[in-house]
Amino acid sequence: AQSVTQPDIHITVSEGASLELRCNYSYGATPYLFWYVQSPGQGLQLLLKYFSGDTLVQGIKGFEAEFKRSQSSFNLRKPSVHWSDAAEYFCAGLEGGGADGLTFGKGTHLIIQP
Amino acid sequence: GAGVSQTPSNKVTEKGKYVELRCDPISGHTALYWYRQSLGQGPEFLIYFQGTGAADDSGLPNDRFFAVRPEGSVSTLKIQRTERGDSAVYLCASSSSGGRGETQYFGPGTRLLVL
Repeated sequence: AQSVTQPDIHITVSEGASLELRCNYSYGATPYLFWYVQSPGQGLQLLLKYFSGDTLVQGIKGFEAEFKRSQSSFNLRKPSVHWSDAAEYFCAGLEGGGADGLTFGKGTHLIIQP
Repeated sequence: GAGVSQTPSNKVTEKGKYVELRCDPISGHTALYWYRQSLGQGPEFLIYFQGTGAADDSGLPNDRFFAVRPEGSVSTLKIQRTERGDSAVYLCASSSSGGRGETQYFGPGTRLLVL
């Protein structure tokens, strides 16, 4: 079955430090992959997505992600985090010929230390 | 422009009651999705509409859950004989035409609590 796994439930990073959030997928073919952010009281907002082409994808708010087929990973990165980046981050996937709804990971809660 | 809106924002009901949750998608979006997010979990897909028809309802957990979109815009998720396990945040999303690479825009959700 298709799945998306986020191994880290919580991540704590100091403000200004770099960030990497992990995401692994299990799909038969190259899936469509997404990163969403959910802040308290806010709806889910798309940060970036990948479905073909350049494996390094740039998103909003200074985020990027790299698709690595050999590792079945789509990790999210940011070179320098800001206190406003504290939120819940979800990786999601969609198979080319499968069900039409996104399959989400359980999320990673990002805490920013001053 | 207006985003996806959902009403009510919060709903408290008693076990066994019937509830309706409403979603108003972005104007002109033909694709509409419902998800359910339980505490500490990622959203779980329930159903996908393309226009007025349910194109994929594979995520509905059982026959107590039903959704409609009669005019191809507003959608209502209906839950009969609610159970405590139905307590969750119900999210609605819409996209322009349902293409697999399209961005799904999410509403703020309806928080349902079944007592």
